[in-house]
Amino acid sequence: AQSVAQPEDQVNVAEGNPLTVKCTYSVSGNPYLFWYVQYPNRGLQFLLKYITGDNLVKGSYGFEAEFNKSQTSFHLKKPSALVSDSALYFCAVRTNTGGFKTIFGAGTRLFVKA
Amino acid sequence: GAGVSQSPRYKVAKRGQDVALRCDPISGHVSLFWYQQALGQGPEFLTYFQNEAQLDKSGLPSDRFFAERPEGSVSTLKIQRTQQEDSAVYLCASSLEGGVNSPLHFGNGTRLTVT
Repeated sequence: AQSVAQPEDQVNVAEGNPLTVKCTYSVSGNPYLFWYVQYPNRGLQFLLKYITGDNLVKGSYGFEAEFNKSQTSFHLKKPSALVSDSALYFCAVRTNTGGFKTIFGAGTRLFVKA
Repeated sequence: GAGVSQSPRYKVAKRGQDVALRCDPISGHVSLFWYQQALGQGPEFLTYFQNEAQLDKSGLPSDRFFAERPEGSVSTLKIQRTQQEDSAVYLCASSLEGGVNSPLHFGNGTRLTVT
């Protein structure tokens, strides 16, 4: 069965510092990995995805993520955090053997302090 | 429309009542998904449509939950005889294609509270 783990409920960083939000996954078959962000009382917004190719993928708002097959991880990163990055972040996975559903992690709340 | 639209935004139902939640996907999007998001949790898959065909309903928690998309555009999620454990945010998402690498576009959700 597919699963996604986000080991940190909350991440706190100071504005201007780099941030990392961790994600590991477990699938059979090739993983298609996604990050989404959720602001209060809103639906999820797509940030970036890894399908194949370069392990470092770049997405919206300066975010990037690194796919590591040996560690089955897909950590979200940003070189310099902004207060406006404060939100709930979800890692998600689909596979070509898992049907059409996207499986989401439980989410990590990011707080960026000014 | 410009995005996925869901209505109502909030719904309060008394235990035992039936509710219907509407989703208007992005025009031309083939795939439509329903998710349930409990407080403090990630979205949990409920069901998937490709055009009007419901290809996966494995996530529907009971036979009280029913979804349809009769003309391949607007979808309705119906919950019969609501229970308190049905209280959650119900998210609808659509994607242009059915491929595994197509990102999902979410609506703002319907917050259902069962009293």
